[in-house]
Amino acid sequence: QSALTQPASVSESPGQSITISCTGTSSDVGGYNYVSWYQQHPGKAPKLLIFDVSNRPSGVSNRFSGSKSGNTASLTISGLQAEDEADYYCSSYTRSGPWVFGGGTKLTVL
Amino acid sequence: EVQLVQSGAEVKKPGESLKISCQGYGYRFTSYWIGWVRQMPGKGLEWMGIIYPPDSDSRYSPSFQGHVTLSADKSITTAYLQWSSLKASDTAMYYCARGRAVRDAFDIWGQGTMVTVSS
Repeated sequence: QSALTQPASVSESPGQSITISCTGTSSDVGGYNYVSWYQQHPGKAPKLLIFDVSNRPSGVSNRFSGSKSGNTASLTISGLQAEDEADYYCSSYTRSGPWVFGGGTKLTVL
Repeated sequence: EVQLVQSGAEVKKPGESLKISCQGYGYRFTSYWIGWVRQMPGKGLEWMGIIYPPDSDSRYSPSFQGHVTLSADKSITTAYLQWSSLKASDTAMYYCARGRAVRDAFDIWGQGTMVTVSS
């Protein structure tokens, strides 16, 4: 059961938008609409940002959005703020899993 | 307030056993699954397994099957993660989290339990 593939790091300036990709296979990301995204600040527990590909839990800013095309899911953060600097993880339900995480992406807000 | 409260940090020696806990507050404990996630120092999240407290139905990641055991006591709204023989490689932060179903994302997370295994 391999981890989903995410870029190790991304960076962008405040106010801009950025997209983080999460690539899997037809046995996970491509096979189910059960992709979620989590944000983790240093020393803190993860926080759910997106569930079921594109749904936001109550209280999560609408600057965060999710989508999926084929075997790749994406998290887009618009209007970047300093507080968005964190690690981001995708996760997908799998045929063999039940779940698997991506390797994580470190977002730097320049 | 809905929360999951985990037991405190542990320091153990290789070969020792350990059971850490995760207690749910502020919601119907028996309506949610409890999952466990490992995070080794400086590394990413790893999905370990999940348990349904009403009947202890459990699913494990192939990577952790046979190495850990999940259990739950619904009478005290507590889930457990245990090892029978720890290894140095078990040193990590362990998080519990709840999900409405096996296919649902984890919407509430515990604060984490740091386990250190060292001789």
